Amino acid sequence: QKEVEQNSGPLSVPEGAIASLNCTYSDRVSQSFFWYRQYSGKSPELIMSIYSNGDKEDGRFTAQLNKASQYVSLLIRDSQPSDSATYLCAVNSGGYQKVTFGIGTKLQVIP
Amino acid sequence: GAVVSQHPSWVICKSGTSVKIECRSLDFQATTMFWYRQFPKQSLMLMATSNEGSKATYEQGVEKDKFLINHASLTLSTLTVTSAHPEDSSFYICSARAGGTDTQYFGPGTRLTVL
Repeated sequence: QKEVEQNSGPLSVPEGAIASLNCTYSDRVSQSFFWYRQYSGKSPELIMSIYSNGDKEDGRFTAQLNKASQYVSLLIRDSQPSDSATYLCAVNSGGYQKVTFGIGTKLQVIP
Repeated sequence: GAVVSQHPSWVICKSGTSVKIECRSLDFQATTMFWYRQFPKQSLMLMATSNEGSKATYEQGVEKDKFLINHASLTLSTLTVTSAHPEDSSFYICSARAGGTDTQYFGPGTRLTVL
């Protein structure tokens, strides 16, 4: 069974700090990786996708992928209270199969 | 781009009635749509996957006769909760994926309360 694991948190960081969110996956042939943000009571919204090993930056967000170690991470620089949300890691194992979601990590940015 | 809408955003109904939720992709053609359910403080739970023009594929433990899914066009999928009961009260979220891509875009969700 394909698994995507995340620490449920909460992860607390002070405002202005870097928040580091981690995710590991079990299926070695996974090809596509996504980070979604979900505010309380709302639906998930796509933050970033990453397909190749290395870093991908978009504004304050950086996704990091290491296929050899089977982990993907999301860094949020200069964290703001508005970043407080649950961050979902999602993995697609190839083709156009359904994506497997992790349980999400709750991030709290303390003013 | 990649906007997905859901209607209604919330609904309250009496036990035993049926409720239909619509999911539309507004600016792309969604060959595949997904229906999720999320209970308070819990993670997303995939209920079913629907491909345009085909029968939906339901996840284990999801009653296909209770949760009817229709994906009749490339921009519309519907979920009907039949004979709803209080335990069906939840946040129902759809997502859509365009053909040839692997990115899902979520609708805003529908909050169902069954009295």
